[in-house]
Order: sequence, then structure tokens, then C-alpha cells
Amino acid sequence: QVQLVQSGSELKKPGASMRVSCKASGYTFSSYGMNWVRQAPGQGPEWMGRISTNTGNPTYAQGFTGRFVFSLDTSVSTAYLQISSLKAEDTAVYYCARDGGGGWDHRWFDPWGQGTLVTVSS
Amino acid sequence: DIVMTQSPDSLAVSLGERATINCASSQSVLYRSNNKTYVAWYKQKSGQPPKLLIYWASTRESGVPDRFSGSGSGTYFTLTISSLQAEDVAVYYCHQYYSSPLTFGGGTKVEIK
Repeated sequence: QVQLVQSGSELKKPGASMRVSCKASGYTFSSYGMNWVRQAPGQGPEWMGRISTNTGNPTYAQGFTGRFVFSLDTSVSTAYLQISSLKAEDTAVYYCARDGGGGWDHRWFDPWGQGTLVTVSS
Repeated sequence: DIVMTQSPDSLAVSLGERATINCASSQSVLYRSNNKTYVAWYKQKSGQPPKLLIYWASTRESGVPDRFSGSGSGTYFTLTISSLQAEDVAVYYCHQYYSSPLTFGGGTKVEIK
């Protein structure tokens, strides 16, 4: 079955960097784009951006430029989210979520990874 | 950016009764060239990732019970749970994928009365 499995929870100090991985299985990785979504405590989801798994081209939403980097390792069907210069306000659950369909406009999210809790605290 | 506004913030419904969640977009998310409405609905239970229920405003995802239905077009949308079950307690979100940045509503918490 189609599945996205993310790396485990992280506790980081302000100023540190971290990387979240999202390993896909059950489908052709390069056929569907991958999105990253942040959900702060008690808040709704917020789209961070998307990476084309075909070309590797990333698109970042406003507010997620500079310190946030999306990347791929297509040889192991894995997407990555790297965050540098971590701040307390980066504390959130981060999800990867696949494009729902293979069409250019099939940009609903399905499935989602299980989420990675990132806590930034001194 | 397209703002998605959900109402109510929360509602309590008796088991077996109907629950209706509304969502309004700040501009039309109907693409006239294909007559499709670029709205999805998700269900998020506590401690879990969101789960897709509906896309294209009214197409039910495979495996989703038929008590869930989506309707609406243009700028106003509705998710209806026709007969609330205990397992439907969750927060529900609408989502527009018409234009970037993709945006979500603030969520509606559904509880049992």
C-alpha cells in the first residue's frame, strides 16, 4: 500500500539545524510531487511548499524561504526537509504529504506521513 | 493568497444526527475551463495526521464512508456527515489547491452531544 514513513521526533537547541526524512513506498516515487506541511501546536496545517520528484525543482511558500530546504534522494524514494538556524517558533509537527494524483492540478494531499515532532528549546 | 474561512469553530451533535461544516473561500476556486472546484476536505483525529475525505469539492476518496459528502462551488462549500458516529469525533479542515500558496481553513472540531 502507498505509505510515507517519516523520521522520529527531534529535540534541538535554538540555532541548530536538523533534517526530516520521508520515505515513500508502494508507488512510483517520481510520478507524484511531495509537499511539506507544518502544524504548530493547537493550530491548523500550513503548506510550506512542494518539490517535484520528477525534476527536483522546489517551490517554497512565503515564510519558508532561506532557512528551509527541500531535497530528494530518488535512489531510495526519500524526500527531505532541512531547517537551519532553528528558532523556538519552529516547534511544530512537520508532515510530508504526497500529491493526491499524478495530474498537474491534482494537488490535494494523500497520503500523509505520520508526522515528525520538532521541539526547539534551550 | 486565498483565505479559507470555516464555520462553526466547533459543534456538538448527537449520535446518528447530521453534522454540517461550512467553508468559504476569499475568491473563486472554480476553474472554468474544466468546471472543477479545487477544494478538498480532511479529517484529523487527535495525535494523527490529516486523512483525505473529499477532493474536487464532492468526490469521496476510496474507502471513505458514504455518510460523508461534500458540496458547493465557487466560493462556498459544505461537508456533511449524514449520521454522526463515535469515530467521527475529530477536527475537519477544508483546503484549496486552486492556487499557490495552498491554504487551509482554521478547522471545525466535531464532538458528540
